This record gives sequence, structure tokens and C-alpha cells, in this order.
Amino acid sequence: LAKTTQPISMDSYEGQEVNITCSHNNIATNDYITWYQQFPSQGPRFIIQGYKTKVTNEVASLFIPADRKSSTLSLPRVSLSDTAVYYCLVTGAGSYQLTFGKGTKLSVIP
Amino acid sequence: EPEVTQTPSHQVTQMGQEVILRCVPISNHLYFYWYRQILGQKVEFLVSFYNNEISEKSEIFDDQFSVERPDGSNFTLKIRSTKLEDSAMYFCASIQIGYSGANVLTFGAGSRLTVL
Repeated sequence: LAKTTQPISMDSYEGQEVNITCSHNNIATNDYITWYQQFPSQGPRFIIQGYKTKVTNEVASLFIPADRKSSTLSLPRVSLSDTAVYYCLVTGAGSYQLTFGKGTKLSVIP
Repeated sequence: EPEVTQTPSHQVTQMGQEVILRCVPISNHLYFYWYRQILGQKVEFLVSFYNNEISEKSEIFDDQFSVERPDGSNFTLKIRSTKLEDSAMYFCASIQIGYSGANVLTFGAGSRLTVL
């Protein structure tokens, strides 16, 4: 399993773009990068998944450089409701070993 | 949108008692998980379950714990003789096999267990 490293916490003001970077230096060829969001007292929720370059959906964008040793989750114009813990997982296609790290606690300030 | 349903939402029990936490996974999902999260800590993998048997378990999942799918819909986690340190949120999750890319977990809202 590829080890991931994320900042423990980040603060941002409402309306700003937030970028959370995850390092995964030993990512394997068939590994994908998946991000989850967890609000207090709720289960994690899938946000976005990518393999390379850029992926965008209605919630976020995921940027993955060519070497794939890191990835950046971008949340445009955050609001107070984006305050949550964000987890980066690196897992192989078809793998059932899905392990969470400590995540990044994002606090959005009014 | 299909949901993973967990009951109870909160259970308080005395140390040494048995607890059963229940989960109804999404109907076309075939791979099931239990995770636990102690307050303020990370989400920890307990066990995965497929085809009516345990696929993988962590070192946390000792003889005190058991899982089963008794009726084809419910997926249960039993904790025998609860200890104070079992107090945590327990999350059930499931995966739809065949998803292209890496598998994606769908989590339930969790069951909060408080052991007194």
C-alpha cells in the first residue's frame, strides 16, 4: 500500500480557493488517488478520484502531476460548510484494501 | 441516491455486555466493511466481508469481534464483553464490485457506541 502524507490541518477564509496536497512517493502504476470528505459525526464521503492529469466534478478538482508522486485537491470558493476532514487514499485498481490516514482538518473561517 | 443504513445511531452499554451493530448495505453492493473511529482519531479498518466470509481483518478485530450476514440484507458487527476502549463510532461501508478505477466506499452514518 502506498503511504500518503497530508498536512494535519489548514485554515481558510470563506470564498477562497483551498488546495490540499497529498504526497505519495511510492505510488504504483495501477494505483488511483481517491479523496474523501468527513464531517463531524458522519461517515466519510467520496469526493473525487483520478489517475493522472486533472479531474473535475461539481465539488472539486484533482490535479495530478506527470510523476504522480503527489496530488492536489482543489476546493473552489469554500464556505463554512466545507469545514471537514479530507482524506487522500492511494489504492490499486480493484484492490479491496482501503485504509485511511489521519487526513487534513480544514477549518473555514467567516 | 442509495444509502448504507446503520442502526442504532447511538447505543450506551455497560462494560462486559454484548453489543450488536446492524447495517443494511446498498442492495447491489457485494463487499462490506466495518471501520471504527475513536473520538478525535482516524478512521480505522476493522474487517472486510465478501461472499459470506471474512476477506481481511485488522489486528484490532480480535476474538471479541464477529461479523455475519444472517439474512442476505443485514450485515452485523457483534462485540462480545465490551470494554471501555470500545467506545467509538462504528461505520459500515460497502463497495460495488466492477467499478472502473479504484474501488470507492459508500459509508453509513455510523453507530456511536458508549461503554460505561
